Amino acid sequence: DAGVIQSPRHEVTEMGQEVTLRCKPISGHDYLFWYRQTMMRGLELLIYFNNNVPIDDSGMPEDRFSAKMPNASFSTLKIQPSEPRDSAVYFCASSLALNTGELFFGEGSRLTVL
Amino acid sequence: AQSVTQLDSHVSVSEGTPVLLRCNYSSSYSPSLFWYVQHPNKGLQLLLKYTSAATLVKGINGFEAEFKKSETSFHLTKPSAHMSDAAEYFCVVSGGNQFYFGTGTSLTVIP
Repeated sequence: DAGVIQSPRHEVTEMGQEVTLRCKPISGHDYLFWYRQTMMRGLELLIYFNNNVPIDDSGMPEDRFSAKMPNASFSTLKIQPSEPRDSAVYFCASSLALNTGELFFGEGSRLTVL
Repeated sequence: AQSVTQLDSHVSVSEGTPVLLRCNYSSSYSPSLFWYVQHPNKGLQLLLKYTSAATLVKGINGFEAEFKKSETSFHLTKPSAHMSDAAEYFCVVSGGNQFYFGTGTSLTVIP
């Protein structure tokens, strides 16, 4: 398997623009997670899905952030409108199971909002 | 509730000397514990995991960790550091339908 695939790897945009980050999980994994990593706050869980259904979105910063998983092989994280404080690396990860299953991470999407 | 505490934010060792990265956990359940490594500009990669089998867990690249329930610890060790071990290391506990990450330990290896 190719692993978790994220795109784009790098995104530079201007404040106010819409940003869409994409993720393809490992085939057969029922869980998908979106994390954000910054120097100040470390690694934060934004939202996770189980069988395409959002289970916990309590980490989503505010209404500007939204995430969808229309099918088992694709998820998006959208920021609209973007702000400079959204600059971070966004990771997608997938897992077969919680508790005993490990997380498989993508390479991340580095977002810079000017 | 589940949580992990990584006791050192930064560790520096000389190449060829032992590595010790410390992690304490808190868990209401029998925990599953993991160590992940993150090299610069890369995603996180699993080093090893404990899921209630043997308490001494061997991982990739010569790393191992010992689960000590009495001390609620899961420290990561390696007998001899290599330059390629320089990275950020995260201790993780899972339980209650979540993964809980520590704040990370940055490992520097001095030639």
